[in-house]
Amino acid sequence: AQTVTQSQPEMSVQEAETVTLSCTYDTSESDYYLFWYKQPPSRQMILVIRQEAYKQQNATENRFSVNFQKAAKSFSLKISDSQLGDAAMYFCAYRSANAGGTSYGKLTFGQGTILTVHP
Amino acid sequence: GAVVSQHPSRVICKSGTSVKIECRSLDFQATTMFWYRQFPKQSLMLMATSNEGSKATYEQGVEKDKFLINHASLTLSTLTVTSAHPEDSSFYICSAGDSVGASEQYFGPGTRLTVT
Repeated sequence: AQTVTQSQPEMSVQEAETVTLSCTYDTSESDYYLFWYKQPPSRQMILVIRQEAYKQQNATENRFSVNFQKAAKSFSLKISDSQLGDAAMYFCAYRSANAGGTSYGKLTFGQGTILTVHP
Repeated sequence: GAVVSQHPSRVICKSGTSVKIECRSLDFQATTMFWYRQFPKQSLMLMATSNEGSKATYEQGVEKDKFLINHASLTLSTLTVTSAHPEDSSFYICSAGDSVGASEQYFGPGTRLTVT
């Protein structure tokens, strides 16, 4: 079974600064997807960024970028120019791309990291 | 992007009663829907996967007789908490994809259940 670990229960950053959230995962599969989701106080889950494991290039979405290290099974999220609206709980998630597996389609979430942004 | 709604957003029920939560895909056909449970400041725990027209697949440790899931149409899945107890109080979230292996799942806004 796959596992996802976020070792930082809480992080804080000053507005306009950069912060990196860590995520590691464990899998024996070679083809999979990794995601970062944001859950603000409204508790609506919002997709921040997605990475396909077969792509070596790190995904970026405006101020959000990832550092995907497949061999190390590491998938960190960097938030640049942090804004007050970035304050939320962030979840790293794994999804198998193995159509024949029992976990196909299911998301496995990490424990989450609460990000506080100070003005 | 695709929109998933949940109803109700909040519900309070008495211990021993049953409560139904609806999850609807508004602008796409959801072949597969997932139900999660989340406690405050904790992660999402997958409860079950439902595919339209077939029985739901429950995760280990989830009581299928207590959490009844029905996915009767391509736009609607329901979760019924039967004989609710205070320990069932939680935040329930659904997500939907247009296929089992859909590249993206779309999340509903969640339902806060309080059992008194």
